[in-house]
Amino acid sequence: DTGVSQDPRHKITKRGQNVTFRCDPISEHNRLYWYRQTLGQGPEFLTYFQNEAQLEKSRLLSDRFSAERPKGSFSTLEIQRTEQGDSAMYLCASSPLPPGQFNEQFFGPGTRLTVL
Amino acid sequence: GDSVTQMEGPVTLSEEAFLTINCTYTATGYPSLFWYVQYPGEGLQLLLKATKADDKGSNKGFEATYRKETTSFHLEKGSVQVSDSAVYFCALGPYSGNTPLVFGKGTRLSVIA
Repeated sequence: DTGVSQDPRHKITKRGQNVTFRCDPISEHNRLYWYRQTLGQGPEFLTYFQNEAQLEKSRLLSDRFSAERPKGSFSTLEIQRTEQGDSAMYLCASSPLPPGQFNEQFFGPGTRLTVL
Repeated sequence: GDSVTQMEGPVTLSEEAFLTINCTYTATGYPSLFWYVQYPGEGLQLLLKATKADDKGSNKGFEATYRKETTSFHLEKGSVQVSDSAVYFCALGPYSGNTPLVFGKGTRLSVIA
């Protein structure tokens, strides 16, 4: 069990460019979550998957954001036409889900995005 | 909607001092409650949790009791160490278990020798 990994750890881009982040959850975890954390704030939910199905999207997830988990393993988060307000830490978490039980979420180290 | 309010930092303590970080919540139903910790340069780690009223979560000398009557989940430690310096986040998980965590803004703790 190597934990949740995210790539890249840091990304600097110019306004208007597209960026894509990757998250590899703990193997066999069927829930995968994306959060965004801005300076001085707690993580805010963006979207989550159960296996390959995207079950919920936050209103924070504008049309410029898209997330996929094509085979129910790794996930990607793409931001199109980045804006300076997108600068934040993007966190991925995963959890197992036995029926009827709430499980803790295991977080990756995050991808820090800076939009110039 | 569900929300978490925790005391603002930063909190600066001397080594071996007593720590309390207040956390209150608003939620429908009976959520699970969590404290996560973020050490410098690292990801969020679960510190402790409680899944029903009057449960006490504990880990690494930290404790928090789920108080339904006061909708609180205050984090305490009797004697802090320099290595406890980190940002602490209180969070709730809605009862259904099918929706994501709701976090407070975090409290930065600095412990000086």
